[in-house]
Amino acid sequence: KQEVTQIPAALSVPEGENLVLNCSFTDSAIYNLQWFRQDPGKGLTSLLLIQSSQREQTSGRLNASLDKSSGRSTLYIAASQPGDSATYLCAVSDGGYNKLIFGAGTRLAVHP
Amino acid sequence: DAMVIQNPRYQVTQFGKPVTLSCSQTLNHNVMYWYQQKSSQAPKLLFHYYDKDFNNEADTPDNFQSRRPNTSFCFLDIRSPGLGDAAMYLCATSRAFGNEETQYFGPGTRLLVL
Repeated sequence: KQEVTQIPAALSVPEGENLVLNCSFTDSAIYNLQWFRQDPGKGLTSLLLIQSSQREQTSGRLNASLDKSSGRSTLYIAASQPGDSATYLCAVSDGGYNKLIFGAGTRLAVHP
Repeated sequence: DAMVIQNPRYQVTQFGKPVTLSCSQTLNHNVMYWYQQKSSQAPKLLFHYYDKDFNNEADTPDNFQSRRPNTSFCFLDIRSPGLGDAAMYLCATSRAFGNEETQYFGPGTRLLVL
């Protein structure tokens, strides 16, 4: 059974710092890995999707990497801003009907 | 703007009183999903529809049912809510199945059971 773990559970950093969020999964047979952002009391917004054949994806200040063999992904956020404060969720798709298995998220606070 | 809409945003119900949550989409996507997310936990898939084909997750309680009368709408029915069903319920859509396809989420409905 696929399990997704995110470390750390919470992170507080000063504005401007570069930071890395970690995600690990137990079964390397995935279709893709996705990173989502969730603001308090809101739905999820897709940030980056890495297909199983890819190693990384970039969008603006965000860069996500995927190492299927080791069951790990990282989300790198450059030059963090207070507006980046949110919970970041990692999810893997096991194929079939794109079922997503989520981690519990990393709650990020960026203070001025 | 094309989007996923959930109504109501907040729902309060009494223990055992049936409740229905609504989701609609203007994306014309084939697949619609319902997730349950309890406080500080990972979203958990309850079921999904591909067009009118329904797929229930093995561990989804019988208390939870779903209807999809047309492409745009999908409903989550909780027949007899218990205190443990208090959660955020998230609806999502996807164009199709494929490793390049992401899911688009609505804002969620927060359910409180008294």
